[in-house]
Amino acid sequence: GNSVTQMEGPVTLSEEAFLTINCTYTATGYPSLFWYVQYPGEGLQLLLKATKADDKGSNKGFEATYRKETTSFHLEKGSVQVSDSAVYFCALRTYMGRRALTFGSGTRLQVQP
Amino acid sequence: NAGVTQTPKFQVLKTGQSMTLQCAQDMNHEYMSWYRQDPGMGLRLIHYSVGAGITDQGEVPNGYNVSRSTTEDFPLRLLSAAPSQTSVYFCASSSGPRTTEAFFGQGTRLTVV
Repeated sequence: GNSVTQMEGPVTLSEEAFLTINCTYTATGYPSLFWYVQYPGEGLQLLLKATKADDKGSNKGFEATYRKETTSFHLEKGSVQVSDSAVYFCALRTYMGRRALTFGSGTRLQVQP
Repeated sequence: NAGVTQTPKFQVLKTGQSMTLQCAQDMNHEYMSWYRQDPGMGLRLIHYSVGAGITDQGEVPNGYNVSRSTTEDFPLRLLSAAPSQTSVYFCASSSGPRTTEAFFGQGTRLTVV
């Protein structure tokens, strides 16, 4: 079956620090990979995605590269802001089986001024 | 453009009561799904639908029913609410291909007392 493993949170950083949130996956078939962000009291929004090996997704200064050889999709940002404080979810989707998104457990990021 | 609309946003039920969470999308997406979000567990799939008249179970379907009579609507019914169903519920929709992202509603926070 499909599964996604994310690093445990919360992650607390100072403003302008470098961010990495690790994500690894197991999938049947060839998945697309996604990062979603959830701000307090809101639903999930797509942050970025990658649909094939070596693709790099990017948005709002965040980046993640689809690494098939290590089955990873780590999220990075060079300089975080207080407004980046949120919960980040790594997810995958395949053609096989249910074709629904499979999510990691989420990582809460807190950025302090 | 409304996207995915969920109602209600908040609900308190007594044990044994039934209710329906509503979900509607205006993007003509064929694929709709319901998730529940619990602390430390990410989002878990309850039920999903690949088109009008077609539904199937996800990871945690017990205690929930769904139907899909139209492309737009995908209601989730709690048959006899239990405290274990206290959670935040999200509806999502997407078009067919694995490469496309899902769009989420704002969520329904349900408390069963």
